Amino acid sequence: DADVTQTPRNRITKTGKRIMLECSQTKGHDRMYWYRQDPGLGLRLIYYSFDVKDINKGEISDGYSVSRQAQAKFSLSLESAIPNQTALYFCATSDPNRGGTEAFFGQGTRLTVV
Amino acid sequence: AQTVTQSQPEMSVQEAETVTLSCTYDTSESDYYLFWYKQPPSRQMILVIRQEAYKQQNATENRFSVNFQKAAKSFSLKISDSQLGDAAMYFCAYRSRGGADGLTFGKGTHLIIQP
Repeated sequence: DADVTQTPRNRITKTGKRIMLECSQTKGHDRMYWYRQDPGLGLRLIYYSFDVKDINKGEISDGYSVSRQAQAKFSLSLESAIPNQTALYFCATSDPNRGGTEAFFGQGTRLTVV
Repeated sequence: AQTVTQSQPEMSVQEAETVTLSCTYDTSESDYYLFWYKQPPSRQMILVIRQEAYKQQNATENRFSVNFQKAAKSFSLKISDSQLGDAAMYFCAYRSRGGADGLTFGKGTHLIIQP
């Protein structure tokens, strides 16, 4: 089983719909992140969380919200999806005290807004 | 804010040859980490190699090595004996020592391996 699991892996939704992307991890890391990948732009940080009570905006948080339901779960929501939110979304975890300095990524969620 | 620049959108190399991917970054910090991630068509993000800024020795992982030039803020990745399985997007990334706010990525280099 993957250490960082994202669901769904692929999703097509309509403009204006609310959608939630979920992420769970078994690595025991405190820090969790949501990134967005667009062709030619690399990955950009949307939100990050240090623990259940600590949520922080990243570079491109407009149009998104998050929920840290537990240490192991971090969800990303699009309240009203729009076509330019079509992208590949990654959840990641890290903890310098446990796993080193790198980020550990989920498999990604391909979201298409039509 | 830190920035990471990969100036080569696409590179092509013959199988078994050596290729170098370029990365430059801008930061005012003195202590940080640099990474190269590989993203094959499966889209999984795979860590290739990491470098700690306070270590002068260049990191090496099998066929992968880096040329870390701290003063020049340069962090290139050399792939020796290129294999078909090396074909992927490669992302250079930066993290400050505290690492609190995640990674800053470059835009990526698409590596093509010619058989």
